[in-house]
Amino acid sequence: KAGVTQTPRYLIKTRGQQVTLSCSPISGHRSVSWYQQTPGQGLQFLFEYFSETQRNKGNFPGRFSGRQFSNSRSEMNVSTLELGDSALYLCATKTVAGEGTQYFGPGTRLLVL
Amino acid sequence: AQSVTQPDIHITVSEGASLELRCNYSYGATPYLFWYVQSPGQGLQLLLKYFSGDTLVQGIKGFEAEFKRSQSSFNLRKPSVHWSDAAEYFCAVGARDNDMRFGAGTRLTVKP
Repeated sequence: KAGVTQTPRYLIKTRGQQVTLSCSPISGHRSVSWYQQTPGQGLQFLFEYFSETQRNKGNFPGRFSGRQFSNSRSEMNVSTLELGDSALYLCATKTVAGEGTQYFGPGTRLLVL
Repeated sequence: AQSVTQPDIHITVSEGASLELRCNYSYGATPYLFWYVQSPGQGLQLLLKYFSGDTLVQGIKGFEAEFKRSQSSFNLRKPSVHWSDAAEYFCAVGARDNDMRFGAGTRLTVKP
């Protein structure tokens, strides 16, 4: 079974731009969560989508948004990029019906200049 | 509210020595507990998980962890560390319908 796929793997943007990251879950996984990882703040939960609906949301500004499609693929968008948005963005998926084990993708490394 | 504490930011062990990484959690109900490993620039790989049953769980790469409810701990152990085990290790607590909370991570350095 293929793992979680994230695209692109690396991205360089400048302040003020916007960016869209994509996550394709493991087949059969309907829940997709997004995390931001930085050296200073560690792993922080952004939001979770299930059946095209946002189910949980972390403590991030409205510039961070996401959506999920009917095939469970998810995108997250960051508008008006700031230098502090430079991070590794990780996507994790799970079946929901089980005990909640999340499987992570390799991440998208975003650098904001 | 659920939370996870990993008291050790950085641990150095010699190759072949035993390893124990500490994890304490706070959770209102019986938690689902996880250990993940992350190599530099990579995503997180699941090492092992606990959600019920035997309190000693075996994982991949020779790792094991023991759930101790009385101490709210879920420490990760390995009897003999290999150089390839050098990485960052994250303990996490979660549930089926809740988001997962991660500890700050413990960076493991392995000395030759």
